[in-house]
Amino acid sequence: DIQMTQSPASLSASVGDRVTVTCRASQTVYNYLNWYQQRPGTAPKLLIYAANTLQSGVPSRFSGSGTGTDFTLTISSLEPEDFATYYCQQTFTTPHNFGQGTKLDI
Amino acid sequence: EVQLVESGGGLIQPGGSLRLSCAVSGFNVSVYYMSWVRQAPGKGLEWVSVIYSGGNTYYADSVKGRFTISRDNSKNMLFLQMNSLRAEDTAVYYCARDDFDGSGYYMSDCWGQGTLVTVSS
Repeated sequence: DIQMTQSPASLSASVGDRVTVTCRASQTVYNYLNWYQQRPGTAPKLLIYAANTLQSGVPSRFSGSGTGTDFTLTISSLEPEDFATYYCQQTFTTPHNFGQGTKLDI
Repeated sequence: EVQLVESGGGLIQPGGSLRLSCAVSGFNVSVYYMSWVRQAPGKGLEWVSVIYSGGNTYYADSVKGRFTISRDNSKNMLFLQMNSLRAEDTAVYYCARDDFDGSGYYMSDCWGQGTLVTVSS
């Protein structure tokens, strides 16, 4: 199975900050990498798929990069609604494992 | 409008069985991959199972042999039959639609609100 490791596990930031979350796969997943946002008490929301493609309706301050085993999610300028937990997921092969999550708070 | 609504969760004793349902509207479950993802209280997301449009099914090792994913195309519903339940199966269970882009990459783009399963005596 492919293991997904995110860092950091938690991150404190302020509105307007630029933040980066890292996701590493235990073996190559090519570009089969998605990012989700989850606010407390709600279902996950797809932000980015295929490593760097913004899902329709997602603000352009979110971006993704990377290929192979190393990926990043960047939020260019934090808005209040961005404080949430972020997960990466590989869909190259089953099981489609998630990273353990990165909690972004103030 | 695309909508997924899970039901069937509740309190169940260890060793018991439960069947979760996901009622879908706005698209046909038969032409999409459909997944179940769970989240234990205070924990991260855990992928559970997927059913492909062609009918192939895959499971996480933690549920293999105990859980069965299926769908009813005529009712446009997705199911998760859970047997031999354990305390560690306690979680909110989400159903999700998996869509593809033109290059073959796929993603869970629509999610239900989740249903809570509690396994406890």
